[in-house]
Amino acid sequence: EAGVAQSPRYKIIEKRQSVAFWCNPISGHATLYWYQQILGQGPKLLIQFQNNGVVDDSQLPKDRFSAERLKGVDSTLKIQPAKLEDSAVYLCASSPRMGYQSPLHFGNGTRLTVT
Amino acid sequence: RKEVEQDPGPFNVPEGATVAFNCTYSNSASQSFFWYRQDCRKEPKLLMSVYSSGNEDGRFTAQLNRASQYISLLIRDSKLSDSATYLCVVISGGGADGLTFGKGTHLIIQP
Repeated sequence: EAGVAQSPRYKIIEKRQSVAFWCNPISGHATLYWYQQILGQGPKLLIQFQNNGVVDDSQLPKDRFSAERLKGVDSTLKIQPAKLEDSAVYLCASSPRMGYQSPLHFGNGTRLTVT
Repeated sequence: RKEVEQDPGPFNVPEGATVAFNCTYSNSASQSFFWYRQDCRKEPKLLMSVYSSGNEDGRFTAQLNRASQYISLLIRDSKLSDSATYLCVVISGGGADGLTFGKGTHLIIQP
């Protein structure tokens, strides 16, 4: 099966600029996650969707970050305006369903550098 | 106490040796546990689930100790290709998955 697709792979922007990332999950996967991984740390959940509804966005900095999953398939994550501390890898993951025994499948991430 | 804790390492281990590391979790209601492997500049990939009875997959053994609230990963006959960061994942459930990653343990297998 095709994996989770993300684009772009790399992005360099200046602080206060805007940026958007795109994710296409594995076909049929209802649950989609966006994670932020800062160098040397584990992935931190930003937002979780179940189909096109938000399940958890408690750790999303809503003053600058937004995400949507229209039609319950593709998703976009936006940062506006970016700060230096937003430099990280942004990982998208999907799973067939929510639940205890449903592991995540990750895309290869977007590496963001904010200068 | 942090939700999920791991020793960041690095663990420097000679090829062929056995190495083990733990991951502690704070939520006693946690239900599911996984080990993920992450190579440098790559995405995390599922290594194995951790079952209550423990499970083994080739050279890898995962165990769960609910009383002390930790999971462990043991690697026997380590290979150079085992060098990676090993992330533990704990799912606590609730309204959302309550899925939390540890910061990872960095393992370096030396020839």
